[in-house]
Amino acid sequence: DTEVTQTPKHLVMGMTNKKSLKCEQHMGHRAMYWYKQKAKKPPELMFVYSYEKLSINESVPSRFSPECPNSSLLNLHLHALQPEDSALYLCASSLSLGTGTLQDGYTFGSGTRLTVV
Amino acid sequence: QKEVEQNSGPLSVPEGAIASLNCTYSDRGSQSFFWYRQYSGKSPELIMSIYSNGDKEDGRFTAQLNKASQYVSLLIRDSQPSDSATYLCAVNKNTDKLIFGTGTRLQVFP
Repeated sequence: DTEVTQTPKHLVMGMTNKKSLKCEQHMGHRAMYWYKQKAKKPPELMFVYSYEKLSINESVPSRFSPECPNSSLLNLHLHALQPEDSALYLCASSLSLGTGTLQDGYTFGSGTRLTVV
Repeated sequence: QKEVEQNSGPLSVPEGAIASLNCTYSDRGSQSFFWYRQYSGKSPELIMSIYSNGDKEDGRFTAQLNKASQYVSLLIRDSQPSDSATYLCAVNKNTDKLIFGTGTRLQVFP
């Protein structure tokens, strides 16, 4: 299995809703990531989990809450989002060697297209 | 100065030509370099990685790295319309974090 699976593929939510994005990989990768990408912009790092521990939080607003229940799963809990949070949310994983050296880059999931209304 | 810089394009090349995509980076400690292809509305797909100075070839793709000049490039030979996409350069410096450039949009016309 060489895939990163993200669900749902599309999500429309109101500003008062609570929703979660899910990501799953079975490649034995020990680092997992959430990225946000707006149209015509590069992916923007949000969070990094390394060996199931949050290692990087790029000053993301608290309305985004990540969770890593185990080495294969990564969730992003969403609450009280704003319309400007509408974007493509990408999950990725990599074979972290603990030293932080990326061997083969990231494998990205297909993303969740989020629209906040 | 941005950490990873790319010309946003579009770079337009005719079918069958060589497309040359360039990327510069600011941190001399960078160790790993990647090229991703992203079609509109899709997620990035890793197409090349390179770690040592010189060339690395994979099919129609060649990545070139020059650490002294802090420069990495991607050559696409025999360009096809299906190669039309945004190409993202990404750089890593011994952390679990990739730094992406803004991407170069490539258009291959028949």
